[in-house]
Amino acid sequence: EAGVTQFPSHSVIEKGQTVTLRCDPISGHDNLYWYRRVMGKEIKFLLHFVKESKQDESGMPNNRFLAERTGGTYSTLKVQPAELEDSGVYFCASSPIGYVRGQETQYFGPGTRLLVL
Amino acid sequence: TQLLEQSPQFLSIQEGENLTVYCNSSSVFSSLQWYRQEPGEGPVLLVTVVTGGEVKKLKRLTFQFGDARKDSSLHITAAQPGDTGLYLCAVLTSGTYKYIFGTGTRLKVLA
Repeated sequence: EAGVTQFPSHSVIEKGQTVTLRCDPISGHDNLYWYRRVMGKEIKFLLHFVKESKQDESGMPNNRFLAERTGGTYSTLKVQPAELEDSGVYFCASSPIGYVRGQETQYFGPGTRLLVL
Repeated sequence: TQLLEQSPQFLSIQEGENLTVYCNSSSVFSSLQWYRQEPGEGPVLLVTVVTGGEVKKLKRLTFQFGDARKDSSLHITAAQPGDTGLYLCAVLTSGTYKYIFGTGTRLKVLA
């Protein structure tokens, strides 16, 4: 079974440009999470989808970030316009429905390394 | 304010040594998870502890949840180079879908 995949693996863009990150969760996983780790800091929650619905987007830094999950399958995270402080590693994770909250196994993708110059 | 403090931040030991890393908080949690992350990959779940005082073993790794469910430790016996990686603890904040991660302990085991 394929794991969580993320595309691209790396992206280098200039300040002011737009970047779209994609996450393909494990098939059948209704939960999808986006996280970010900025250099030297801990992994931080961005948002959580159940199928196509956003359950919690309290971690999104500002309105330059837009996440979508069309049809409850893959998800995209768009940053527009990108700023220097958006640099970091963006992780996506998925899990099936049915776990007790806090005890679910999240399966992480390898991350997208974003560098904004 | 960091909700989950992990210590030490870095640890470099020789193969065969034992070690313990810690995850501490002033908050009480219903459960706590430990992950290991290797370079270029995402974190991989190792264990979830749920009950205060609970001890779980995964081969040479022993995980303990504090009696008050505010802290946890991970003990590795006879460390191997394959144990090298970033160890992270994580919890779900109460009443939300938001997982919080600790700052991590970066372990290097030298052959």
